[in-house]
Amino acid sequence: SQQGEEDPQALSIQEGENATMNCSYKTSINNLQWYRQNSGRGLVHLILIRSNEREKHSGRLRVTLDTSKKSSSLLITASRAADTASYFCATDGGTGTYKYIFGTGTRLKVLA
Amino acid sequence: NAGVMQNPRHLVRRRGQEARLRCSPMKGHSHVYWYRQLPEEGLKFMVYLQKENIIDESGMPKERFSAEFPKEGPSILRIQQVVRGDSAAYFCASSPQGAPGANVLTFGAGSRLTVL
Repeated sequence: SQQGEEDPQALSIQEGENATMNCSYKTSINNLQWYRQNSGRGLVHLILIRSNEREKHSGRLRVTLDTSKKSSSLLITASRAADTASYFCATDGGTGTYKYIFGTGTRLKVLA
Repeated sequence: NAGVMQNPRHLVRRRGQEARLRCSPMKGHSHVYWYRQLPEEGLKFMVYLQKENIIDESGMPKERFSAEFPKEGPSILRIQQVVRGDSAAYFCASSPQGAPGANVLTFGAGSRLTVL
């Protein structure tokens, strides 16, 4: 079964609004990462948050991690049409594993 | 500094034929991962390799699928006797040597396999 599950599955907002996506996972992790995928393209890394961190910022992105709830959120502030894409969280399986498990993704549409 | 190169970008095969997908990792990267993505779905882990070694193939079907990453040349994902259900986008990613879970994956543009 999937390690990560994002919600919502799809999100449609107006340009300038904030977009929040959530990710839940099942096992212990070392790190959690967020990736973006534009339609028909490969994934692009956005941000990595370590298991001992609670919040991280990168430009208009803000990621939080709650290891007690096994969940993370990705906030995109002041969204732009160019942010339209699918967003995936990815987790490792914990100590000693190099395998990265991706969630089911949130499809974000930003309307101009 | 080329990124992860995958070829072919599109591949059409008839049922029963073989599909061979290639991936050249980023320069300096020693880890290669293969993922499969069905339309409107997430990525499903297939296999993780280092040079000349398969480290984790827990996501790869036991039959018809194989992967290698030779000392020289690209990593290859091979699907024998393809069936319609193999139609998907296959993504390769690479990362440098690093601690488990700490590697940022660089993805290729994917190879889209269509089985007729």
